[in-house]
Amino acid sequence: AQKITQTQPGMFVQEKEAVTLDCTYDTSDPSYGLFWYKQPSSGEMIFLIYQGSYDQQNATEGRYSLNFQKARKSANLVISASQLGDSAMYFCAMSTVTGGGNKLTFGTGTQLKVEL
Amino acid sequence: EADIYQTPRYLVIGTGKKITLECSQTMGHDKMYWYQQDPGMELHLIHYSYGVNSTEKGDLSSESTVSRIRTEHFPLTLESARPSHTSQYLCASSDLHSGSAKNIQYFGAGTRLSVL
Repeated sequence: AQKITQTQPGMFVQEKEAVTLDCTYDTSDPSYGLFWYKQPSSGEMIFLIYQGSYDQQNATEGRYSLNFQKARKSANLVISASQLGDSAMYFCAMSTVTGGGNKLTFGTGTQLKVEL
Repeated sequence: EADIYQTPRYLVIGTGKKITLECSQTMGHDKMYWYQQDPGMELHLIHYSYGVNSTEKGDLSSESTVSRIRTEHFPLTLESARPSHTSQYLCASSDLHSGSAKNIQYFGAGTRLSVL
């Protein structure tokens, strides 16, 4: 079975600072993908970044980077130069090829608040 | 940019009414999904489809039903709404290839359902 754990219910960061949102995962499948989504208060889910289990380098997308530590089974999201518009709920998710039937398993989310 | 649309955006309805939540995508994706999400909580998969005439139950038991008669359309129906059905319903689609874990799902804006 797949499991995603996000241990930070809420985080605060000052504008222009960097912030790390934690995510650990558990799976026995050697082939898997890790995802981060942003959910503003309006409710839609916005895809941010993807990391494959066999990718050699950490994924980056603009101000977002994924700190992938395979041995520790962690996939933390780093947001650099935070902006007020980054205030939202952030979900970590995982997909596996075999055991999960290619479905996404989501964590419980971290509410990020960016302050002036 | 994802092209996936959900209507209505908000729905307030009385107990016992039949409702259909619409979801359409213009990306030609084979895979479509329905999630249920209570405020501030994680997403739970309730239905998915891997193509026309294919529908499966998700991880969370739901009294709703779905159909997939056309690739672009994946409506969700509740035959008799109850207050316990009050939640946000999110539709997603993906262009997942068999054997790949890169299941990037693109979401609609969601339908916030309130059953009185």
